[in-house]
Amino acid sequence: DIQMTQSPSSLSASVGDRVTITCRASQNIITYLNWYQQKPGKAPQLLIYAASSLKGGVPSRFSGSGSGTDFTLTISSLQPEDFATYYCQQTYSVRTFGEGTKVEIK
Amino acid sequence: EVQLLESGGGLVQPGGSLRLSCAASGLTFSNYAMAWVRQPPGKGPEWVSGISGDATRTYYADSVKGRFTISRDNSKNMLYMQMNSLRVEDTAVYYCAKYHGLGSYDAFDIWGQGTMVTVSS
Repeated sequence: DIQMTQSPSSLSASVGDRVTITCRASQNIITYLNWYQQKPGKAPQLLIYAASSLKGGVPSRFSGSGSGTDFTLTISSLQPEDFATYYCQQTYSVRTFGEGTKVEIK
Repeated sequence: EVQLLESGGGLVQPGGSLRLSCAASGLTFSNYAMAWVRQPPGKGPEWVSGISGDATRTYYADSVKGRFTISRDNSKNMLYMQMNSLRVEDTAVYYCAKYHGLGSYDAFDIWGQGTMVTVSS
């Protein structure tokens, strides 16, 4: 299976900060990469698919980029409701997820 | 509004069995492939199994192949997972999730609230 490695595993940031999360695949997945947000006690929610396409209704402060093995999720100006854990997922082969990046309040 | 509601989780001893159910509403259920995704405590999600809209194709993670069986009843808008020979490492929150096709891409765009399965003696 393709391994997905996220970094950092956690970060502390303030409201208004620009936040960048990285996801690396163990092999080339082209742009078959999704990003999800998960809040405590809730199911993950889709934010971005195909590496850079924003799901309808997701705020434009979220953006995704990358191709091949290296991908990035960026939150341009962190809002209070964005404190959560973020997961990447590859859909190139048997679906696998990263271990998550927890975004905490500084 | 599309909703998925899981049930059937609980505490079971190693080697035991459980059947999970997922009730779908607000969509033409048979049009969509569905999946079970689990999340062990404090870890990332893990895809477990998927099934096509017409139930003719099923897929399993290696970790559950031969022990778990996914099925669906489109007349009842229901998704199921029969879990046998349960192991401690199967302990997780189990979510049912809807596949959304986006050209050649796909994603899980709707998730249930999850049901906890604990395997322990």
